[in-house]
Amino acid sequence: GAGVSQSPSNKVTEKGKDVELRCDPISGHTALYWYRQSLGQGLEFLIYFQGNSAPDKSGLPSDRFSAERTGGSVSTLTIQRTQQEDSAVYLCASSFTGFRYEQYFGPGTRLTVT
Amino acid sequence: TQLLEQSPQFLSIQEGENLTVYCNSSSVFSSLQWYRQEPGEGPVLLVTVVTGGEVKKLKRLTFQFGDARKDSSLHITAAQPGDTGLYLCAGPPEYGNKLVFGAGTILRVKS
Repeated sequence: GAGVSQSPSNKVTEKGKDVELRCDPISGHTALYWYRQSLGQGLEFLIYFQGNSAPDKSGLPSDRFSAERTGGSVSTLTIQRTQQEDSAVYLCASSFTGFRYEQYFGPGTRLTVT
Repeated sequence: TQLLEQSPQFLSIQEGENLTVYCNSSSVFSSLQWYRQEPGEGPVLLVTVVTGGEVKKLKRLTFQFGDARKDSSLHITAAQPGDTGLYLCAGPPEYGNKLVFGAGTILRVKS
C-alpha cells in the first residue's frame, strides 16, 4: 500500500491480558516510530527503530511494553498484562531515514482496557 | 529537556476569523514540522520549515520559522470548518536524537 497501515483499528481487551499491535510502514522507509496518544492530547514517544541499529526504547513506560521490527519492515508493539491506564490510541509512523525527516503516520489503533 | 510549547491549547472561533498558533522552545531546532490531525486519523504533515526566518504559505495557512530557529507560528486566514483539528508542531533538536512534539492546539471552527 501507499501509506502506513496499522491493525487492528480498534482493540478492546480485559485488564491483565496481553495485546499485540501491528504496523506496516511505507516501503523503503528505514525508520519506524511508535507513539501513544491520549484523547485530544499530543504524542508520547515510545520507541524508535532506525535500520539495523539498536532501537531507542527510552520512551517505553514500563517493562510490560516491548516492540520488535522484523526484516526491517513490519513492527509489532506488545503490551503484557494490560492495565486501564494503557487505554489510548497507539500511532505508528515511518520516515525515509532518521528522525530528522518528516514522518508519515498510520491511522492508529484505539486500545481500550476494561 | 528539549520541549516545544504550543499555545493556545484550545481555540474555538467562527468561520471567517483569523488565528495564530504558536510553537516555542528555549532550544534550537534544525527544522520544524507542522502536522494536522483529524479525529480517528493519524497526523498528516502540512509543512516543514528549515531556514531561520523562513515563511511558507499553503493556501490560507502561513508558517513562519523564527530567526533563531527556536520558535514557529501558524497563521490561518479566514478559517473554515474544514480547518478543524489538532495542530501539532514537531522538530529535531539541533543536539538531540529524536523528534520532539508539542502538546498540540485543538482548533474548532464553527460555521
